[in-house]
Amino acid sequence: GIQVEQSPPDLILQEGANSTLRCNFSDSVNNLQWFHQNPWGQLINLFYIPSGTKQNGRLSATTVATERYSLLYISSSQTTDSGVYFCAVERNTGNQFYFGTGTSLTVIP
Amino acid sequence: DAGITQSPRHKVTETGTPVTLRCHQTENHRYMYWYRQDPGHGLRLIHYSYGVKDTDKGEVSDGYSVSRSKTEDFLLTLESATSSQTSVYFCAISEATGPTFFGSGTRLTVV
Repeated sequence: GIQVEQSPPDLILQEGANSTLRCNFSDSVNNLQWFHQNPWGQLINLFYIPSGTKQNGRLSATTVATERYSLLYISSSQTTDSGVYFCAVERNTGNQFYFGTGTSLTVIP
Repeated sequence: DAGITQSPRHKVTETGTPVTLRCHQTENHRYMYWYRQDPGHGLRLIHYSYGVKDTDKGEVSDGYSVSRSKTEDFLLTLESATSSQTSVYFCAISEATGPTFFGSGTRLTVV
């Protein structure tokens, strides 16, 4: 399988701070997605981003497929951003996704 | 929110009993997946389906079987539940390209 490493494993931020989460993967991939798992366990798709840069409000993501990494930027963090952020990669379309073990984010007021 | 319903949401069962979890979608997506989530392991794929009656094994398929007789339904069966299968199970759906959407999960406890 593909190894997916996320860093940092844990992050504590003051509300309003910015942060960058990183995802490194060990092989060429066809697909990369970022998910947020909220404290109630719900998994929410943030970005479908096999390459390039996308922005959605205070969140943005960049994937450099040739260098096998992706970054998730969170600006002006809010307490509702707390939870675990997962990166997941897929080698072939409609096949198996490999998840990283996540970055646990806590935003304190 | 994508239309994905998992049932039951919670279940406690005894070791050795069969258990079936159901995933129902209203999005007409081709691909459906079953994952389990355990502390320290993240999410791991159990089985997936790429069409009606078309399924394949994932990373942790031992002890599980699946069936997909209709586009909208994907069933996960534990033939004889073991304590190691205590976990949170997530169903997911996707098209060939584009985002993957997850259901709300089923918390299964095997005692």
